[in-house]
Amino acid sequence: GAVVSQHPSWVICKSGTSVKIECRSLDFQATTMFWYRQFPKQSLMLMATSNEGSKATYEQGVEKDKFLINHASLTLSTLTVTSAHPEDSSFYICSAGRDGLAGGEQYFGPGTRLTVT
Amino acid sequence: LAKTTQPISMDSYEGQEVNITCSHNNIATNDYITWYQQFPSQGPRFIIQGYKTKVTNEVASLFIPADRKSSTLSLPRVSLSDTAVYYCLVGPKGGKLIFGQGTELSVKP
Repeated sequence: GAVVSQHPSWVICKSGTSVKIECRSLDFQATTMFWYRQFPKQSLMLMATSNEGSKATYEQGVEKDKFLINHASLTLSTLTVTSAHPEDSSFYICSAGRDGLAGGEQYFGPGTRLTVT
Repeated sequence: LAKTTQPISMDSYEGQEVNITCSHNNIATNDYITWYQQFPSQGPRFIIQGYKTKVTNEVASLFIPADRKSSTLSLPRVSLSDTAVYYCLVGPKGGKLIFGQGTELSVKP
């Protein structure tokens, strides 16, 4: 149990276009999901906290109008990179924690590799 | 959120026990210590979580001293497949996680 999936696993898009990445908790409900991005040879950087039914909370320095987050249900959060530029090319990873579980550990998705040409 | 400090890299050989220590001097009362493993181009994988003393599961042990200002992840008898980056994170259960630089473990034959 506790599987998180992401779709697509990789995507290539042209500069100026928008790309949507989906994050799903397959066998549990998650009121809160988190979005990270990771550049080569670097650690994960938290971008935002996604809350079901409410607006996402963005970390300092992350443009909320560029990285649109929607948490429409207890099992799905989406990240849309709008007007993508080559510098947005990165590895995007989501995570989710099970609601009501005392353990509190987060489960991470496999990541989405975005390349903007 | 408490900041963590880990060695940037470590080398080991197959079959050895590996201990990775993490320093978190500013840990808060309600913070837990969690370790994740990450392979290239994959999402992090949960290894173990603890609050104090010792926690053991099927893959690792976590040692936490009484003052909780540090913790040690112990991997028994590592294999080549344990080559990965290991992250130590500190924070409240269910809260956001701030990743540090991690420890790149290289296991050699």
